Amino acid sequence: EAGVVQSPRYKIIEKKQPVAFWCNPISGHNTLYWYLQNLGQGPELLIRYENEEAVDDSQLPKDRFSAERLKGVDSTLKIQPAELGDSAVYLCASSSGGGGPQETQYFGPGTRLLVL
Amino acid sequence: GDSVTQMEGPVTLSEEAFLTINCTYTATGYPSLFWYVQYPGEGLQLLLKATKADDKGSNKGFEATYRKETTSFHLEKGSVQVSDSAVYFCALKKRNSGYALNFGKGTSLLVTP
Repeated sequence: EAGVVQSPRYKIIEKKQPVAFWCNPISGHNTLYWYLQNLGQGPELLIRYENEEAVDDSQLPKDRFSAERLKGVDSTLKIQPAELGDSAVYLCASSSGGGGPQETQYFGPGTRLLVL
Repeated sequence: GDSVTQMEGPVTLSEEAFLTINCTYTATGYPSLFWYVQYPGEGLQLLLKATKADDKGSNKGFEATYRKETTSFHLEKGSVQVSDSAVYFCALKKRNSGYALNFGKGTSLLVTP
């Protein structure tokens, strides 16, 4: 079974430029998460999707960040314009949903962003 | 709010040494507890989990017991290998409410031959 796929793996951009990250979850997983991982820190949730609906985006900085999950499968996270402080690893995770105590989230390898 | 506190790293051990990485949590209700591992250049992988008090999660020689009385979920392994070198994250998830994982800051482990 293929895992969570993310691309690109690395991205270097100049500040004020736009950038987009793509995620393909595990087949059949209805729930998709985007996490932000700063250097030396644990991941923090940005947004959670149930199918195509964003059900928790309270931590997403909406002035510059946006996300979509058309058709309830792949998802794209966008930053426009990027700032120096956005340099981090962006992780995508998926799960079969339900939110119960046994639910496991499966993580992709992440996209490492460097903003110059 | 809910939070997880892990021991500061890096932790450096010789091969075959005993490993303990401390993790304590603060949460209302009864969270599920997880240990994730992140190998260099890779994403997080679930190592083990426990969903209720006194449960013991185990995998690949690693163990952790959910201790409600001390709000702890310490990770242990009897004999570490060089291949165990990675960053270990403790995390909690509230039972049946809220889906996001709350992670600790991670503990880096380096095992030397």
